[in-house]
Amino acid sequence: GAGVSQSPSNKVTEKGKDVELRCDPISGHTALYWYRQSLGQGLEFLIYFQGNSAPDKSGLPSDRFSAERTGGSVSTLTIQRTQQEDSAVYLCASSPRVAGGKNEQFFGPGTRLTVL
Amino acid sequence: ILNVEQSPQSLHVQEGDSTNFTCSFPSSNFYALHWYRWETAKSPEALFVMTLNGDEKKKGRISATLNTKEGYSYLYIKGSQPEDSATYLCAFGRRETSGSRLTFGEGTQLTVNP
Repeated sequence: GAGVSQSPSNKVTEKGKDVELRCDPISGHTALYWYRQSLGQGLEFLIYFQGNSAPDKSGLPSDRFSAERTGGSVSTLTIQRTQQEDSAVYLCASSPRVAGGKNEQFFGPGTRLTVL
Repeated sequence: ILNVEQSPQSLHVQEGDSTNFTCSFPSSNFYALHWYRWETAKSPEALFVMTLNGDEKKKGRISATLNTKEGYSYLYIKGSQPEDSATYLCAFGRRETSGSRLTFGEGTQLTVNP
């Protein structure tokens, strides 16, 4: 079956521009996560969506970052006024909600963002 | 700040060697411990999700153990093969978020030489 997909796979942008990253989770998975990995760093949690509940935004690094999830499926991560320190690989993951954090997460291939 | 530490940071072994890595995490508020394998140019792939102290899980030549009281997990690979070359990540889920917000370690990068 189809896994988690992300687009674009690569994005190069200029400092100050806005970018949108898209994630299509596995059908039927109610939980969706965004992470990023900056160079030399571990995976960093950004935001978590679960069904219709209010998202856990506690990992967003600044108010330039926002995310939404429409219809409980597709999610978009938006970074406004990008900065060079935003350069990273942005990963999306989904999981079925049953047993919550005891479920493995299924990751997409990531979007590599480069801010010049 | 939650600290999830993995060691070693990198490891080079010969084909056929057995090896193991360590993940240490806070022993309080434990909910779940995840292991993922991340091969270059691919997506991270789940190996194990462990929830109970003393858990031991196995998948082929790879196995893992969990000690929640002292806050560590070991990942073992028996008879390493070149295709095992990858970064191995552990991630800690804490009780107050029902494990939904995972804190990842920086990973152990394994290279298996033929």
